[in-house]
Amino acid sequence: QLQLQESGPGLVKPSETLSLTCTVSGGSISSSSYYWGWIRQPPGKGLEWIGSIYYRGSTYYSPSLKSRVTISVDTSKNQFSLKLSSVTAADTAVYYCARFLSIAAADYWGQGTLVTVSS
Amino acid sequence: QSVLTQPPSASGTPGQRVTISCSGSSSNIGSNIVNWYQQLPGTAPKLLIYSNNQRPSGVPDRFSGSKSGTSASLAISGLQSEDEADYYCAAWDDSLNGHVVFGGGTKLTVL
Repeated sequence: QLQLQESGPGLVKPSETLSLTCTVSGGSISSSSYYWGWIRQPPGKGLEWIGSIYYRGSTYYSPSLKSRVTISVDTSKNQFSLKLSSVTAADTAVYYCARFLSIAAADYWGQGTLVTVSS
Repeated sequence: QSVLTQPPSASGTPGQRVTISCSGSSSNIGSNIVNWYQQLPGTAPKLLIYSNNQRPSGVPDRFSGSKSGTSASLAISGLQSEDEADYYCAAWDDSLNGHVVFGGGTKLTVL
């Protein structure tokens, strides 16, 4: 059974860079035809797609976050990562990593990790 | 506001059939497949419907999806108390070099 687990700091200071890692177990991140990506949910609000990376390395980012986001894959560790720079309080959210069987259909999710942006 | 429009709330009694709508445009629903998610309180979202009307393994056939033009719908028949959750639609949008868009979510209450 595929499992995903987010890890990273739960508190980030304004203007700094948020860094999260998603560790995949029970399957290979190099498996063909899947996307791997990040979705966030501010407290009490809806879902927002951050971006995805295809197993071959192509990246896709939310237009509103594109200038601040980088998603990368480390196949040797079976992990993928999110970096979001210049964070503000508006970036406070639960961050989920997920596997996508098509670009907008995430069929496996991590449990989510709350990241708070505060000084 | 969200690119895909959903009613903020819906309700029904046990056993009823309820539908949740998702309205978009030619750049998203009109030209791409729609997916639906269920999010129970305090948990990660779960893929409920993909490719407009396909159910992942384990999803009861009480849940069904459809699409027509620039709108899509999620139908839940034989409503059960455990169906009380937030429901989100999602699709690829071809504008701005392409990106995923979500609906704002619909809170379903089982009365």
